[in-house]
Amino acid sequence: DIQMTQSPASLSASLGETVTIECRASEDIYSNLAWYQQKPGNSPQLLIYDANSLADGVPSRFSGSGSGTQYSLKINSLQSEDVASYFCQQYNNYPFTFGSGTKLEIK
Amino acid sequence: QVQLKESGPGLVQPSETLSLTCTVSGFSLTSYSVSWVRQPSGKGPEWMGRMWYDGDTAYNSALKSRLSISRDTSKNQVFLKMNSLQTDDTGTYYCTRDRGDILSPFDYWGQGVMVTVSS
Repeated sequence: DIQMTQSPASLSASLGETVTIECRASEDIYSNLAWYQQKPGNSPQLLIYDANSLADGVPSRFSGSGSGTQYSLKINSLQSEDVASYFCQQYNNYPFTFGSGTKLEIK
Repeated sequence: QVQLKESGPGLVQPSETLSLTCTVSGFSLTSYSVSWVRQPSGKGPEWMGRMWYDGDTAYNSALKSRLSISRDTSKNQVFLKMNSLQTDDTGTYYCTRDRGDILSPFDYWGQGVMVTVSS
């Protein structure tokens, strides 16, 4: 199975700041990577797919980048509604696997 | 609009079988695949398996011996059955729509159903 190592596990930032979350795959996943946002008590929602494509309705302050085994999610101009957990997921190989998550809080 | 809704018992006895139903609307099960994903409280999600749009299935090898996914296209429903449940099977179970490509993420999720395995 492909292991997805996500960092940091938690993150505290101020409103308006830019934050970056990293995800490393244990082997090349050829940009078949998604990022999800999960607000407390809610289902995960797709933010980014194919490593850098914005899902429908997602604000442009979210962006994804990376290739091979290294990927990142950047959130510009942090808003209060961005408080959530964020997960990466590879869909290049079965079984599809997720990172353990990053919990984002506002300072 | 696209919707998925899970239903099933909230409490299952250890060693018993879990049966869940995912009822979908706003898309056809013969055009999109549906996956089951579960999430223990406070942890990352785990992909369980997929019902392909053509009726084929794929399973997480870690669960394959206990898991079965089927569907009824006339009722727009996908079913999950997993036997020999243990306490570490406790969590929230989601059905998701796969975005449409052979290699695709999950673009819509149901609200989830909380399943507790306990006597």
